[in-house]
Order: sequence, then C-alpha cells, then structure tokens
Amino acid sequence: EVQLVESGGGLVQPGGSLRLSCAASGFTFSSYEMNWVRQAPGKGLEWVSYISSSGSTIYYADSVKGRFTISRDNAKNSLYLQMNSLRAEDTAVYYCARDFRGTQIDYWGQGTLVTVSS
Amino acid sequence: QSALTQPRSVSGSPGQSVTISCTGTSSDVGGYNYVSWYQQHPGKAPKLMIYDVSKRPSGVPDRFSGSKSGNTASLTISGLQAEDEADYYCCSYAGSYTRVFGGGTKLTVL
Repeated sequence: EVQLVESGGGLVQPGGSLRLSCAASGFTFSSYEMNWVRQAPGKGLEWVSYISSSGSTIYYADSVKGRFTISRDNAKNSLYLQMNSLRAEDTAVYYCARDFRGTQIDYWGQGTLVTVSS
Repeated sequence: QSALTQPRSVSGSPGQSVTISCTGTSSDVGGYNYVSWYQQHPGKAPKLMIYDVSKRPSGVPDRFSGSKSGNTASLTISGLQAEDEADYYCCSYAGSYTRVFGGGTKLTVL
C-alpha cells in the first residue's frame, strides 16, 4: 500500500523558514517523480513543485520560485521542501504527492499544516 | 500559471447525473491529454478519480467518467450517491513538468 506521511509543519513568523519532510513507503520511491501541492484554508489546490526520480530535474510554481527548494533522499525514501522567506499567503496544508509519467499525480499524503503569522 | 475554471458548485438528487466542467487554454487542457480529476472529502486528502482525460484507476466506480473537447474537460457522475458529495478538482499538465489545478467544485447531493 502506498503511504506518504508529511511532517514538519507548524507556526512560523513572516520571513521565517521551515523544512517539510515526506516519508514514503509501499512503493519503490527512487523510481517515482514527486510533487508538493498546497491548499490554503478553505481554498483550492495549488501545485508548488516537482522533482524527478533522480532529483536532477526540478520545477517550481512562480509563487514560490526563489524561496522554496525541493529535494529528495532516495536512500531514506524521503522528500523535502525547504521554505524560506515565508509570507502570510504561504499559509496552507502542504501535501506530498506521487507523480506518474511526469504528467499527473496519483497518490497523496494526508498533509501538514503550515501557518505563517506573527 | 492561471487556475483552470470550474463552477463553484453543482447539485443533483440521488440517481441523477451531474457534469462538472473545467476550462483552460491551449497551453494546458487543450494542449495535452493529461487531465486528471480528484475527489476531496472535508479534512481528507484528494483521491484520484480520472486520469488521462477519461481513464479510471482501479477501484473507482464506472459511474465516474471524463471527457474533453478543445480547452474544456468534463467530469460526469451518473447514478449519484450520497457518498459522492465532496469537492472535485480538475488538474492539467501544462508543460515542463508543471501542473495547474481548477478552483474546485462543491458537489451537493440533495
């Protein structure tokens, strides 16, 4: 069974930093591309970032480019999102999501809440 | 990276059919046959219901179907059931490994 478990969310002040983690199990993590997707409270889904299976190809949404960094450790079956210069509008539940064929998302974690507030 | 356009809400009675539209551009929906649909119940993670415009993952009832014409994709749910009440999101590949989601549609089963 595919399992994706996010952690690392919490309350952070504007301008601060946070690192999210996603532990993957139930599939060969190193063979799959991965994404981060977020959902602001009461709002829709927003794609944040993509990383290839090897980590060599990375893309970001314009809204986070230059502030967020996606990475992975295939030896640890883990995906990460380093978030810097956080803003109030970054407040959201952040989902770790498995990709297939580099075009669509098939499995999602349960999400971790990030709140940016003073 | 503008969001795809979905109706804010749709409704139907048990047993009826409803269709949710998802309008994008030639750079996303119209340019690729990589449209997916997700069901999200309150407080839960999204669940994949349709991929590649019209394909259903194993375990998804055949009451759910997808289609596309030009820059607009559609999700049709036939034989509505109470458990279908949820938010539905479309998503399209937009090139260079990027994706764009719709704003979401709240389905109410009357």
